[in-house]
Amino acid sequence: EDQVTQSPEALRLQEGESSSLNCSYTVSGLRGLFWYRQDPGKGPEFLFTLYSAGEEKEKERLKATLTKKESFLHITAPKPEDSATYLCAVQARQGAQKLVFGQGTRLTINP
Amino acid sequence: GAGVSQSPSNKVTEKGKDVELRCDPISGHTALYWYRQSLGQGLEFLIYFQGNSAPDKSGLPSDRFSAERTGGSVSTLTIQRTQQEDSAVYLCASSLGRVNTEAFFGQGTRLTVV
Repeated sequence: EDQVTQSPEALRLQEGESSSLNCSYTVSGLRGLFWYRQDPGKGPEFLFTLYSAGEEKEKERLKATLTKKESFLHITAPKPEDSATYLCAVQARQGAQKLVFGQGTRLTINP
Repeated sequence: GAGVSQSPSNKVTEKGKDVELRCDPISGHTALYWYRQSLGQGLEFLIYFQGNSAPDKSGLPSDRFSAERTGGSVSTLTIQRTQQEDSAVYLCASSLGRVNTEAFFGQGTRLTVV
């Protein structure tokens, strides 16, 4: 069964303090790994798709990387507006097309 | 509109009543997903539609839950004889449906069963 585990569950940082969020996955052939940001009371907002090990993508202060077993979302010099829950999801190559989500990491950036 | 639209945004219903939740996907998107998010929890897959193919209903929690997609566009999620444990945010997403395409989510419908 496809599984996604995110860590830590919650993370508090000071503004400007860089860190990384982890997404470990097991999937029967990875079609894609997706990162989303979710603000309270809102639907998830798409950030990145990664398709193969070694791939990296960047957007502003965020950079996502992928290995064969996990993905990292690196946040550099975060600002308070980066506070949100970050969700990771995988889609398998074979069979079901559904996205399997992790529980998320709740990130708080203190000014 | 440019994004996925869900209605209503909030719904309060009495236990035992039926409810219908609506999703308007992004125009041209052939794939449509329904997910459920309980308070403080991750996203739980419910059902997936892709074009004219038979839907993947593997995530529906009981036979009280059903969904349909008319004309390959608008989708309705129906919950019959609602229970308190059905209270959650119901999220809809759509994608182009081709290999390696991201899904875009609506704002969700917050369902409260009292």
